[in-house]
Amino acid sequence: DGGITQSPKYLFRKEGQNVTLSCEQNLNHDAMYWYRQDPGQGLRLIYYSQIVNDFQKGDIAEGYSVSREKKESFPLTVTSAQKNPTAFYLCASTTTSTDTQYFGPGTRLTVL
Amino acid sequence: GENVEQHPSTLSVQEGDSAVIKCTYSDSASNYFPWYKQELGKGPQLIIDIRSNVGEKKDQRIAVTLNKTAKHFSLHITETQPEDSAVYFCAADGIVRLPNSNSGYALNFGKGTSLLVTP
Repeated sequence: DGGITQSPKYLFRKEGQNVTLSCEQNLNHDAMYWYRQDPGQGLRLIYYSQIVNDFQKGDIAEGYSVSREKKESFPLTVTSAQKNPTAFYLCASTTTSTDTQYFGPGTRLTVL
Repeated sequence: GENVEQHPSTLSVQEGDSAVIKCTYSDSASNYFPWYKQELGKGPQLIIDIRSNVGEKKDQRIAVTLNKTAKHFSLHITETQPEDSAVYFCAADGIVRLPNSNSGYALNFGKGTSLLVTP
């Protein structure tokens, strides 16, 4: 998984609760990304960050929030405003915004 | 993001046969085209990539071809083995058009091809 770690691997949440997914990389990459994957679907971009203290919304940012206080960390918070949060969440990083992206192992979130 | 179409969605081949997965893209400014392999419950792993200054790239049993004029690229796996069974995603780099009128670069992914190699 190229030096990118995600935790936890499995996460269960009750409706109405916020939950934060961790993503850490030791590759000294500048850019980091969060994707959502649903069965039979491709990867849809939630948020991305090209540099510390800056991030941009992707295609499906509603109900999610992120922070980028450190270069190596890009946590994703799934808020109660996300209507259908059950999915597989993937974090990725790259040296530049147009270069090879390396993915973490993913976190499977299930809302009970 | 810009549209990346991938076909077929499922592909079943016998061990030893070849497998071909095709993708088309819409952004003429795209220059980078990676292919990822994803096994069940794991993150995608890069298996090969190609940039727009070359038309073909090969790595052992895996090859990728790119036709920039037609805006399509393909993954070719020869002498398939059962361990090649996985979901394969193509991607193209491009501008992500955001609701707030900003934009940035990101990878746009196809919806994936589930490859099954039967012994």
